Amino acid sequence: DTGVSQDPRHKITKRGQNVTFRCDPISEHNRLYWYRQTLGQGPEFLTYFQNEAQLEKSRLLSDRFSAERPKGSFSTLEIQRTEQGDSAMYLCASSLEVLEQYFGPGTRLTVT
Amino acid sequence: AQSVTQPDIHITVSEGASLELRCNYSYGATPYLFWYVQSPGQGLQLLLKYFSGDTLVQGIKGFEAEFKRSQSSFNLRKPSVHWSDAAEYFCAVQGTYKYIFGTGTRLKVLA
Repeated sequence: DTGVSQDPRHKITKRGQNVTFRCDPISEHNRLYWYRQTLGQGPEFLTYFQNEAQLEKSRLLSDRFSAERPKGSFSTLEIQRTEQGDSAMYLCASSLEVLEQYFGPGTRLTVT
Repeated sequence: AQSVTQPDIHITVSEGASLELRCNYSYGATPYLFWYVQSPGQGLQLLLKYFSGDTLVQGIKGFEAEFKRSQSSFNLRKPSVHWSDAAEYFCAVQGTYKYIFGTGTRLKVLA
């Protein structure tokens, strides 16, 4: 069990560029979650997958955001036309059914 | 609406002193409750969880928490704090599947 991994750990991009983050969950976990955490706040839910199906998207996830989980394994989160307000830590978590969620180290995005 | 309140934004304690971090939740059904710890620039590590049963739950690193339904609270405690406990602590309640987090309590430990 290597835990949840995320790549990259840090990303600096210019406003208007597209970015993509990857999350590899714990191998036997069928549920995968994305959260966003801004400075001084707790993580906020973005979206949730059960296997390959995306079952819920938060209203925080504007149409510039898209997430996929092909074949129910790793997941990607893409942000198109980034804005400075997108600067945050993006956290991925996974769980086996409705048991506790295990979090990855996060990807810190800075939009300049 | 489901919510979690952590009333203390910052707490400072001396090394060796006891610690209590407060957490209040709002949830219609029996809650699943969690405490996580986050070191700077890192992800969240699970300290302990409450699903059901004994209302006093033990976690890692010597932490414990007590679920009090009548007070809608799930406070985190540690009898003797170590310098390495300095971090940010988050309480969370599980909704249908997603977590709702509090805003966190930043713990500073004085030598």
